[in-house]
Amino acid sequence: DTGVSQDPRHKITKRGQNVTFRCDPISEHNRLYWYRQTLGQGPEFLTYFQNEAQLEKSRLLSDRFSAERPKGSFSTLEIQRTEQGDSAMYLCASSPFRDGNSPLHFGNGTRLTVT
Amino acid sequence: AQSVTQLGSHVSVSEGALVLLRCNYSSSVPPYLFWYVQYPNQGLQLLLKYTSAATLVKGINGFEAEFKKSETSFHLTKPSAHMSDAAEYFCAVSVNYGGSQGNLIFGKGTKLSVKP
Repeated sequence: DTGVSQDPRHKITKRGQNVTFRCDPISEHNRLYWYRQTLGQGPEFLTYFQNEAQLEKSRLLSDRFSAERPKGSFSTLEIQRTEQGDSAMYLCASSPFRDGNSPLHFGNGTRLTVT
Repeated sequence: AQSVTQLGSHVSVSEGALVLLRCNYSSSVPPYLFWYVQYPNQGLQLLLKYTSAATLVKGINGFEAEFKKSETSFHLTKPSAHMSDAAEYFCAVSVNYGGSQGNLIFGKGTKLSVKP
């Protein structure tokens, strides 16, 4: 169990550019979640996958955001035409989902700064 | 809808003093509740979880939490604070219905400072 890995740790980009983040979950965890965390707030749900299927997307996830989890392994989160309001910590988590009692295991996040 | 409310965005205690971080939940069904800790520039680490097996739950680093249904509370405590406990703490409730089951709804967090 090597934990959830996220890359990069930090990303600085100019407004209007596209960015892509990667998350490698704990192996054999069937659920993978993306959250966004802004300063002074708790993590806010963006989307999640069960294996390769994207089962739910938050209304926070505008059409500039897209996430994939090909073959049910790693996942990518892409933000197109970034805006300053996208600056946040993007957290990935995975879980061996069986019921609501299954805890989420978080990565260290990718901190995005849009200038 | 389920939610959690953390009372106090910032709590300051002296080293060796009792730590009490408050969390109240709202849920129409028996909840699954969690406490996570976040150190600066890191992800969230699970401290403990409530699963209905016992109302007093012991976690890592000497923390524990008590589930009180009558008060809809799940407060986090530690008898004696250590400098290394300085971090932000998040209470969360697991969504337990429909396709969202297993997703977590977080409170806004409480930042704990420990004075020497």
